[in-house]
Amino acid sequence: EAAVTQSPRSKVAVTGGKVTLSCHQTNNHDYMYWYRQDTGHGLRLIHYSYVADSTEKGDIPDGYKASRPSQENFSLILELASLSQTAVYFCASSDPGRGDTQYFGPGTRLLVL
Amino acid sequence: QQKVQQSPESLTVSEGAMASLNCTFSDRSSDNFRWYRQHSGKGLEVLVSIFSDGEKEEGSFTAHLNRASLHVFLHIREPQPSDSALYLCAVSRSGTGGYKVVFGSGTRLLVSP
Repeated sequence: EAAVTQSPRSKVAVTGGKVTLSCHQTNNHDYMYWYRQDTGHGLRLIHYSYVADSTEKGDIPDGYKASRPSQENFSLILELASLSQTAVYFCASSDPGRGDTQYFGPGTRLLVL
Repeated sequence: QQKVQQSPESLTVSEGAMASLNCTFSDRSSDNFRWYRQHSGKGLEVLVSIFSDGEKEEGSFTAHLNRASLHVFLHIREPQPSDSALYLCAVSRSGTGGYKVVFGSGTRLLVSP
């Protein structure tokens, strides 16, 4: 079965520190996404990518960078973590040629202190 | 810009009683609708996708789309306590790419034994 995995599953970071969240998919999908989930806001798109070595800004990219070194891997980088970036982060992948259903990883719970 | 709202915010039903969730969208050209389920601490699981007016059934989940009234409903037949979760509606237009998906903030369903 196709799968999206994320690491770490949870992390505590200090304000101003660097955080890297990793995502790996075995779906053979071209599109990958990073979302954050906050209570009352549903999911909000941070960055996405439709091909390796290229990333695009989503709706809330400020304070985040992304990296797509291969089709399977997509990372989210917080260069200077802030309290407001405490949230649950989800990675997803999709294939626009097959109805574009997004398949999600289990999420990473990030707490910035 | 697309707005997606879900109601109610929370819903409690008895085991075996029908549960009905509502999702309202603002872009009349939307034609790609999905319902996801998220158990506490887990990722999102796609339940049903619907692309045209009418009904689409997947197991105990039925999506009902009425684009003229800008509503898509999810009906859960004979819900079990294991169906207690956050239910998210996702709306987009086909051909615009997965990065144009807009999520509602969810309905939290509690199924009591």
